[in-house]
This record gives sequence, C-alpha cells and structure tokens, in this order.
Amino acid sequence: DAGVIQSPRHEVTEMGQEVTLRCKPISGHDYLFWYRQTMMRGLELLIYFNNNVPIDDSGMPEDRFSAKMPNASFSTLKIQPSEPRDSAVYFCASSLIVPLGQFFGPGTRLTVL
Amino acid sequence: DQQVKQNSPSLSVQEGRISILNCDYTNSMFDYFLWYKKYPAEGPTFLISISSIKDKNEDGRFTVFLNKSAKHLSLHIVPSQPGDSAVYFCAARPYNTDKLIFGTGTRLQVFP
Repeated sequence: DAGVIQSPRHEVTEMGQEVTLRCKPISGHDYLFWYRQTMMRGLELLIYFNNNVPIDDSGMPEDRFSAKMPNASFSTLKIQPSEPRDSAVYFCASSLIVPLGQFFGPGTRLTVL
Repeated sequence: DQQVKQNSPSLSVQEGRISILNCDYTNSMFDYFLWYKKYPAEGPTFLISISSIKDKNEDGRFTVFLNKSAKHLSLHIVPSQPGDSAVYFCAARPYNTDKLIFGTGTRLQVFP
C-alpha cells in the first residue's frame, strides 16, 4: 500500500483565494482525520470522519473551513476565503483501530500571502 | 487551553546517553497515551503507547512511563542514537472518543 496520500505537497496562494487540500486514506481504513500543525499549537485535530460521516468538527476554526468525504477513498479540506493566519502544515491521517494505528500522510504546507 | 503540554520545545543529548521527553496533561479523562515521532517533511509515525491502567510500557530502546497522580507522561530512549533526532509528540485519547489530543512537540537532537 502507498500509505496516506496528500496533494498538493505545497500550496502558495494569496489572501482571499479558495484553497482545496486533498487526501486519499489507506484502503480499508474506517477513520479519517484532518490535523493542522503550527509552532504555537502543535498538532490540532480539525475534524474526523468514520465511514465517511463527520463525527467531530469541533476543531474547525471557523466557517471558512469545510471538509467532505464523498467516498471511502477521498476527502477534501477547503478554506474559503484563505487568510495569512491559515498558513500551516495540514495533515491527513487514517486508521482502522482507533487510536493506536493512526497513519499520517506527508502533509500539505500551505502559505497564504 | 492546552490539555496536553510539552513544556520543553527542544532537547539535546549525546549519542549513547538517555533521552527523557516529558509530557503533562490536565484532564484525568484520558484512557490511552501515545508518542509519535516526526522527521522533517514527513508525517508523524506512531512510536509507543500506554493504557491508563498501566504505569510502564517498553518496546526495545523506548519506554513510556505514566504517573497518573502527577498527570505526567515520559518517554525514555536508551541508548540514544543520531537517527532518533526528530520531533516527538505526545498524545492522549479522551474516554469514549475516537480522537487524539496532541501536545506541541519536543525537538530531540542526538549528537555524536
């Protein structure tokens, strides 16, 4: 298996633009997590899905952030409009047995100018 | 407010010596604690975990200790190797949830 796949690996955009981050979890994993990493707050859980259904989105910063999981092999995290304070590394992770087996993707480094 | 805290942002240790990474938590309602390791430009990878009903778990060079009365978790690496240089995150799972709460990370550097 190729592991968790994220795209793009790097994204540079201007304030106000829409940004879409993509994730393909490991095949067969029931859980998918979106995290954001910053120096100040470390790894923050934004939202997670179980069997494609959002379970907890309490970590989503504000209405500008949205996430979807239309099927078991694909998820998106969208920021619209983006702001400079959204600059961070965004990770997607998937697991079969929670919480001992979360497998992380390589992350997307987002820079909003 | 940060429920899982790693108060040391960095640690430098000589190869062959012991590395001790610390983590404190403020909430007693966690049932599992985990350590993840992260290299630059990669995602975190699971290292070792411990259930709240135990006070020690060992896996090769890595041992995790849990002190529930002090709400303190530590990871011991013995002996430390240059390849252990990475950022280490501790994490905790609240009871009856499927999510993890992570700390801010500690950067470990092991020098020859």
